Amino acid sequence: NAGVMQNPRHLVRRRGQEARLRCSPMKGHSHVYWYRQLPEEGLKFMVYLQKENIIDESGMPKERFSAEFPKEGPSILRIQQVVRGDSAAYFCASSGPGETQYFGPGTRLLVL
Amino acid sequence: ILNVEQSPQSLHVQEGDSTNFTCSFPSSNFYALHWYRWETAKSPEALFVMTLNGDEKKKGRISATLNTKEGYSYLYIKGSQPEDSATYLCALASNTGNQFYFGTGTSLTVIP
Repeated sequence: NAGVMQNPRHLVRRRGQEARLRCSPMKGHSHVYWYRQLPEEGLKFMVYLQKENIIDESGMPKERFSAEFPKEGPSILRIQQVVRGDSAAYFCASSGPGETQYFGPGTRLLVL
Repeated sequence: ILNVEQSPQSLHVQEGDSTNFTCSFPSSNFYALHWYRWETAKSPEALFVMTLNGDEKKKGRISATLNTKEGYSYLYIKGSQPEDSATYLCALASNTGNQFYFGTGTSLTVIP
């Protein structure tokens, strides 16, 4: 049973470009969470999704960031017009309803 | 947003020493308390889930206790080994258990 998968593991973008981060949850998990770890900070919740639904996006920046979890395929975190301050590690986690979250290896985004 | 605090921020101990650290959280809206171990360049790994006041969990040399009435959990490591070096995160799951609030972690370094 493969764990949570994220790709790419490392992503370099220039300011103004778009970044797309993908997360495939563990088999059987219907809940996906995205977290961001800024340099020298802890994990901050961004968004919680179930298939085709955003349940809680209270941690998402109001602009440029969006997330989806389509019926088929991985969850996508999309950052438009990236800025240097978006440089961070982005972690995805998945779980069954009300269960422990299992984390992926993260995507390290560097904006030049 | 719920405030989860961990102390100390960092800790250096000698190999063989026992150590403990604290996670504090608001006791209202409590659903579950999760402990994770996070090694550098890896993803957080689930250690314990605790839900009941007075819960005590153990995994090898690591154990944890929970007091939901006063809003704290302790993590203990007996006879620390260099491989225990990691950041230990606690996360409060509130309401339905799907929303996690992470502390900033305690960074443990075990000196051989």
